[in-house]
Amino acid sequence: QKEVEQNSGPLSVPEGAIASLNCTYSDRGSQSFFWYRQYSGKSPELIMFIYSNGDKEDGRFTAQLNKASQYVSLLIRDSQPSDSATYLCAVSRGGNTPLVFGKGTRLSVIA
Amino acid sequence: GAVVSQHPSRVICKSGTSVKIECRSLDFQATTMFWYRQFPKQSLMLMATSNEGSKATYEQGVEKDKFLINHASLTLSTLTVTSAHPEDSSFYICSARDEGEKLFFGSGTQLSVL
Repeated sequence: QKEVEQNSGPLSVPEGAIASLNCTYSDRGSQSFFWYRQYSGKSPELIMFIYSNGDKEDGRFTAQLNKASQYVSLLIRDSQPSDSATYLCAVSRGGNTPLVFGKGTRLSVIA
Repeated sequence: GAVVSQHPSRVICKSGTSVKIECRSLDFQATTMFWYRQFPKQSLMLMATSNEGSKATYEQGVEKDKFLINHASLTLSTLTVTSAHPEDSSFYICSARDEGEKLFFGSGTQLSVL
């Protein structure tokens, strides 16, 4: 059974700090990795995707992928209260296969 | 990113009625769309994969006769919850892939069955 594991949190960080969100997955055939942000009562919003080992940076966000360890993470620099949300990790085997989602980590950025 | 439009955003209905939810890809063609359901404080659960021009593929435990999916064109998929009951109350979200592999979500439909 394909699984994506995330710590449910809440993860609390002070404003301006780096928030580190982690995710592990069980399917070694996974090829594509995504991070979504979901505010309460809203649908998920894609914020990062990564396909290759290493780091990928986009603004304040950095996604890190280690396929050997089956581990993907999301770093949020200079965290803002508006970053407070649930962050969902999702993986897929690529192509048109469905994404498998983790249960999400709730992040709280304290002003 | 790609835009996926979903409506209605909120539905309140009586038990036993049917509810139709529409999902449209506005700026790209989507041969495949995905329907998810999310209960409060729970993770997204894939219900079915909607394929243009063919039958939907349902996940284990999802009743295909209760959740009717029609994907009549490359930009439109509909989910009909038939004979809705209070236990069907949930947040239903559609999604579609763009020409790459990125999945974009509609704004979701909050269904409340009285």
